[in-house]
Amino acid sequence: EAGVAQSPRYKIIEKRQSVAFWCNPISGHATLYWYQQILGQGPKLLIQFQNNGVVDDSQLPKDRFSAERLKGVDSTLKIQPAKLEDSAVYLCASSLEGAANEKLFFGSGTQLSVL
Amino acid sequence: GNSVTQMEGPVTLSEEAFLTINCTYTATGYPSLFWYVQYPGEGLQLLLKATKADDKGSNKGFEATYRKETTSFHLEKGSVQVSDSAVYFCALKVGGFQKLVFGTGTRLLVSP
Repeated sequence: EAGVAQSPRYKIIEKRQSVAFWCNPISGHATLYWYQQILGQGPKLLIQFQNNGVVDDSQLPKDRFSAERLKGVDSTLKIQPAKLEDSAVYLCASSLEGAANEKLFFGSGTQLSVL
Repeated sequence: GNSVTQMEGPVTLSEEAFLTINCTYTATGYPSLFWYVQYPGEGLQLLLKATKADDKGSNKGFEATYRKETTSFHLEKGSVQVSDSAVYFCALKVGGFQKLVFGTGTRLLVSP
């Protein structure tokens, strides 16, 4: 089966610029996650969607980050304006239903460098 | 809150050595426990999981046992290979629609 697709693979921007990441989850997966992985740290959940509704966005810096999942399939994550501390790998993952013991499938990530 | 603590790396071993990567957790509730692995240049992938106390997850020669009494989920392998070189993440999830919480990761380097 096709995996979770993310683009772009790499992005370099200057601080205060805007950037957007795209994710296409595995077909039929209701739950979609965006994680931020800063170098040397474990991934941290930014936002979790169940179909096109938000389940958890408690750690999303809402003054600069936004995400949407139109039609419950693809998702975009935007940062506007970017700060130096946003440099990280942004991981998209999906799972079938979001159950507690369910496996998450991860994309390869987008590596963002903010200069 | 829910959290995971892993031993710091890197862990450096020779091929065929025994591996242990320690993981302990704190959880409000009864978590499911996971080990994810990130090979160089690849995305995170599930290695193994356990959903209740005393369960043993296993895959590719790796094992981990869910120990409720010590709140631990240590990863072990009897004989590592060079191809096992990767970053290993311990993680937990409590209840449906709850976020998967990761540890900081442990890098394993295996030399021939």
